[in-house]
Amino acid sequence: GESVGLHLPTLSVQEGDNSIINCAYSNSASDYFIWYKQESGKGPQFIIDIRSNMDKRQGQRVTVLLNKTVKHLSLQIAATQPGDSAVYFCAENDDNTNAGKSTFGDGTTLTVKP
Amino acid sequence: EAQVTQNPRYLITVTGKKLTVTCSQNMNHEYMSWYRQDPGLGLRQIYYSMNVEVTDKGDVPEGYKVSRKEKRNFPLILESPSPNQTSLYFCASSIAGTGGLNTEAFFGQGTRLTVV
Repeated sequence: GESVGLHLPTLSVQEGDNSIINCAYSNSASDYFIWYKQESGKGPQFIIDIRSNMDKRQGQRVTVLLNKTVKHLSLQIAATQPGDSAVYFCAENDDNTNAGKSTFGDGTTLTVKP
Repeated sequence: EAQVTQNPRYLITVTGKKLTVTCSQNMNHEYMSWYRQDPGLGLRQIYYSMNVEVTDKGDVPEGYKVSRKEKRNFPLILESPSPNQTSLYFCASSIAGTGGLNTEAFFGQGTRLTVV
């Protein structure tokens, strides 16, 4: 079946370093991808999204890269701060054949060391 | 303030006793969805609704019901809860257009349900 998976369940970085969180997806028909951040005790929060007609999108301190050839998605966080410590999820939608269904990866826990 | 409100935040119930978790959004969003979050399994979609009176199954709909009689509300109903439905539940909403969740997606604070 289709799945969206993250390469590593945990990632620890030093404050000020850049973080890279990876996600592999298996549905080649997926055309819309979102990264979410979930802090302890809270619901997921939208970070950044990208459509399949793009391979890179930048936000404030975050960049999402999409490689459709190998079905890989990554989230890059520049100058990681303690407030970035959270669980990060990628999610994918296939709007053409299954609009409305969102599939999430298992999540990567990012810990930022001071 | 734009928000998705779930109630209750915490609930402990017994097997077989029907319960409803409410979800309400004040952003006039067409799309609403329910998820459950379990350790090691991430977020899994239960049901979603593209608009009023339009609902569809997600990946794990068994044991759940939903209704969408009005735009702002999307209650999750457990007719006969069982211990395997013990989980953390999230409701989310967003504008339509792309189908599923998109840039305007908002999540509720979660409902932690324990079925004993």
